[in-house]
Amino acid sequence: AQSVTQPDIHITVSEGASLELRCNYSYGATPYLFWYVQSPGQGLQLLLKYFSGDTLVQGIKGFEAEFKRSQSSFNLRKPSVHWSDAAEYFCAVGNTGGFKTIFGAGTRLFVKA
Amino acid sequence: GAGVSQTPSNKVTEKGKYVELRCDPISGHTALYWYRQSLGQGPEFLIYFQGTGAADDSGLPNDRFFAVRPEGSVSTLKIQRTERGDSAVYLCASSGDTGEQFFGPGTRLTVL
Repeated sequence: AQSVTQPDIHITVSEGASLELRCNYSYGATPYLFWYVQSPGQGLQLLLKYFSGDTLVQGIKGFEAEFKRSQSSFNLRKPSVHWSDAAEYFCAVGNTGGFKTIFGAGTRLFVKA
Repeated sequence: GAGVSQTPSNKVTEKGKYVELRCDPISGHTALYWYRQSLGQGPEFLIYFQGTGAADDSGLPNDRFFAVRPEGSVSTLKIQRTERGDSAVYLCASSGDTGEQFFGPGTRLTVL
């Protein structure tokens, strides 16, 4: 069965600092992996996805994530955080075809000036 | 339409009542998904449709929950004999050829 663990419930970073959000997944086959962002009053928005190929994937808003099969991880990174990045971030794993998608509990990001 | 729409945006009902939640997907999207998001949690998969048929309904919590998509477009999530534990935001998403899921704003269901 698919599962996702996001170990950090919340993280606070200073504006301009780098960011890494952790995600570990469990899935028997090659996973489809996603990162979504949810801002207050906004719907879920896809930041990036990994299906196959290059293990370092680039997304929108300057985010990137690296798939590490040996660690069952798909951590999200951004080199310099902006105040507008404050939101809830969800890692998700999809089955082959990406249809049944299981989400983690989320990490809330706070950005301080 | 331009995006996924869901109606109503808010629904308050009493325990034991029946409710219907509607989802209008992006035009042309063949796949449609329902999720439930409780406070402080990530979205929980309920069901997804490929065309008119439910391709995977393994996430429906019990037989009080049912969803239909009779013409392969609009979908309705139906909850019978609502319980207070059903209170949550119900999210709908649709996807096309790329597989990227586009989410609607959700319906906030409150069961009193």
